[in-house]
Amino acid sequence: RKEVEQDPGPFNVPEGATVAFNCTYSNSASQSFFWYRQDCRKEPKLLMSVYSSGNEDGRFTAQLNRASQYISLLIRDSKLSDSATYLCVVNMMNRDDKIIFGKGTRLHILP
Amino acid sequence: NAGVTQTPKFQVLKTGQSMTLQCAQDMNHNSMYWYRQDPGMGLRLIYYSASEGTTDKGEVPNGYNVSRLNKREFSLRLESAAPSQTSVYFCASNGRRTDTQYFGPGTRLTVL
Repeated sequence: RKEVEQDPGPFNVPEGATVAFNCTYSNSASQSFFWYRQDCRKEPKLLMSVYSSGNEDGRFTAQLNRASQYISLLIRDSKLSDSATYLCVVNMMNRDDKIIFGKGTRLHILP
Repeated sequence: NAGVTQTPKFQVLKTGQSMTLQCAQDMNHNSMYWYRQDPGMGLRLIYYSASEGTTDKGEVPNGYNVSRLNKREFSLRLESAAPSQTSVYFCASNGRRTDTQYFGPGTRLTVL
């Protein structure tokens, strides 16, 4: 099993719809989780951190399920500007202290 | 604050040539990283530096060397470029290993 796995997509979603995607991780010792957004030919930028209690930022909601070892990202009322690749990031924080990036999920919002 | 800056933005090399990619951050971060990103492969860690004067290998260090000369700057050197090193290179930094990373704009390198 890969350390961090994401559905590569693309997810083609009409504007205004709700879309959700998950990211699974293999190491139960993982302690920090993040969602990054990457636009075409640009650098990744932090979208939001993911806490055990879940967190919400406007139209975006992130949740962590430690028992099943996945994190999720929900986007409500999607906008054309949400089109991007969303990267899941897991910080192992073990002896090697590895930060692992998923390969990303591509999202296309359709007008 | 400029955040994380990288130079050059674009570079074309011939096989066997050498070059150094420069990265600097003005956020007083301790940790700095070099990644490469290839289509379908995601971000892969080349080297990282947990603090000034220390460096460690990441997932794909072969063919690269790094220098952390001071807290601000972390450079990546290709001694003898190969076509397999054609990629987009990102530098990143964070204050602590648990923190989020801030990325530079990237260097697009083509090796012919």
